[in-house]
Amino acid sequence: KAGVTQTPRYLIKTRGQQVTLSCSPISGHRSVSWYQQTPGQGLQFLFEYFSETQRNKGNFPGRFSGRQFSNSRSEMNVSTLELGDSALYLCASSLESGRGNTEAFFGQGTRLTVV
Amino acid sequence: DAKTTQPNSMESNEEEPVHLPCNHSTISGTDYIHWYRQLPSQGPEYVIHGLTSNVNNRMASLAIAEDRKSSTLILHRATLRDAAVYYCILRDRNAGNMLTFGGGTRLMVKP
Repeated sequence: KAGVTQTPRYLIKTRGQQVTLSCSPISGHRSVSWYQQTPGQGLQFLFEYFSETQRNKGNFPGRFSGRQFSNSRSEMNVSTLELGDSALYLCASSLESGRGNTEAFFGQGTRLTVV
Repeated sequence: DAKTTQPNSMESNEEEPVHLPCNHSTISGTDYIHWYRQLPSQGPEYVIHGLTSNVNNRMASLAIAEDRKSSTLILHRATLRDAAVYYCILRDRNAGNMLTFGGGTRLMVKP
């Protein structure tokens, strides 16, 4: 069974640009969550999508957005990039919307560097 | 969200048991206790979870205090591959799949 696939693995962008990251969950998983990991703030939750609907949202500015397609694949977009957006962006997929007792499977992440 | 408290780092010798503690004194009745670990240069990996009773799986054991205000992740025989950051997370059964990570415990394993 294929794991969670994130593309691209590495990305370099310039301040002010926008970026789109992609995540393909494990087959059959309908929940996709996104996280940002930085040395200073650690792992922070961005948002969760389940069946194309955003279920939860973390405390991030509106420049961070996402969506989920009917095949459960998800994309996240960051507009007007800032230097502080440099981070490892991780995607996690889960089988269902979650009752607290399901495990999340993480991808290897996309390393975004903003220069 | 209910918070967890873990030591910043711990050290262990290879092939010895490791007990990783976690305090969660504000845990609510709807919170599951989850453990994830993150190996260097990888995404987090699920280890184990429980609600009230102790749990065992092929990776580890989870011992939960009777009052649920603390728990301990037990690695029965540490290997070099177990060197990672271990996160103890409380998951509200009513909050979807959101995981709130704290600082975790960095486990170092000495050969």
